[in-house]
Order: sequence, then structure tokens, then C-alpha cells
Amino acid sequence: KNEVEQSPQNLTAQEGEFITINCSYSVGISALHWLQQHPGGGIVSLFMLSSGKKKHGRLIATINIQEKHSSLHITASHPRDSAVYICAVAGGTSYGKLTFGQGTILTVHP
Amino acid sequence: DTEVTQTPKHLVMGMTNKKSLKCEQHMGHRAMYWYKQKAKKPPELMFVYSYEKLSINESVPSRFSPECPNSSLLNLHLHALQPEDSALYLCASSSHGTGGDEQYFGPGTRLTVT
Repeated sequence: KNEVEQSPQNLTAQEGEFITINCSYSVGISALHWLQQHPGGGIVSLFMLSSGKKKHGRLIATINIQEKHSSLHITASHPRDSAVYICAVAGGTSYGKLTFGQGTILTVHP
Repeated sequence: DTEVTQTPKHLVMGMTNKKSLKCEQHMGHRAMYWYKQKAKKPPELMFVYSYEKLSINESVPSRFSPECPNSSLLNLHLHALQPEDSALYLCASSSHGTGGDEQYFGPGTRLTVT
């Protein structure tokens, strides 16, 4: 079993739909990251969370430390949101080593 | 400036070549990272430099040789690579290299070994 599990692995939506991607982890963490990667492209950091909730534009990320679970929500989805979304956790050790989930491939159709 | 730059964007090299990948940041970050990413897989950590010292080497073959000449620059020297080393190589940086740091990623260098 992977230390970081994401669901779903693939997600297809129509433009305007509300989207949720889930991340569960089994290790102690100091922070959880949500990352976005467009096809063939580099990675963009969307959020870093250690507790509670963060919002940026149409994106919302939440984390429940007790349940070892985080969600990424996209409101009013748009085709440009089509990308791979990756959950990654930083453990309690030094040097900020990230353990990555397998990623969720999101496709938003117009 | 919140950007990590990487050069070149694309690189094709033969198995006997020697080449280098370059990464640069001007955010004053003191930790820099090299990742390797194969298609449809998450990134895999290769090396971490913290305050210009190599702090993590994830059992990477010696044909990959990292170098951190100063706090803004990170190089990855490549020699005698194999076709299976073809991948996207990502550089990242963070403030100090601790667990609570946000990592900023570069656009990557797409490497093809022929």
C-alpha cells in the first residue's frame, strides 16, 4: 500500500461542474502539498497545508490531520483546469523530502 | 521573482556523451532539489542540496553527478547514460529544506538518451 493514495485516478467533468480530488496518507506529516502539472509541462505548487483550509480563486484545499485526509476542490471547472493533480506529503524528517501520490488526471470538457 | 529556471528545455544525447542540466533561482532559497519523472508517474527525488551541501542522495547511479556551485545554481552532470534514463528532469527550490517549506518547481528538462 502506498503511503499516499489519491482518488480518483481519472476524472472527467463537464465545464462548470464542481470537482473533488481526495488524498489519504498513512504517515505523520509536517505539511501536505497540492501540485498541478499540465501535459508535458513543469509542476506548479497550488497549496501547502498543515491544517484547516486554504482558498485561491476557484480552488479550495482542506486537510483533516486526525483523519489523515485532504481534499482539493475546483469550483466552476473550466477546460484549462485539465491537468494532473498531485498530492505530496512532507514527513517530519528534515530536508523537506516529499512523498508523492500517483496523481489524478482531470479532463474538463467544454 | 518567484521563478525557477531550467536549461535546456530539451536535450537529446547519445550514450557516450557528457552533458549538463542547469537550474537557477533568485528567491534566496537555500535548498535545491533534483527530481526525475517518467511518463505518467509522479516525480522521484534524486538529490537535495541544503546550504550548498549535498544532504540527500537517493541511491542515484554515479552516471548522474550533482553540483551546487552557489546557493542560486544547481547543476546535474550526465555521463554514459542509458536509454532508460530518458525522462523529464525537474529542479525545485525551497527556503530551507525543512518539511514545512513550499517547493517551487522549474519547467523541467526533457531528456532523450539515444
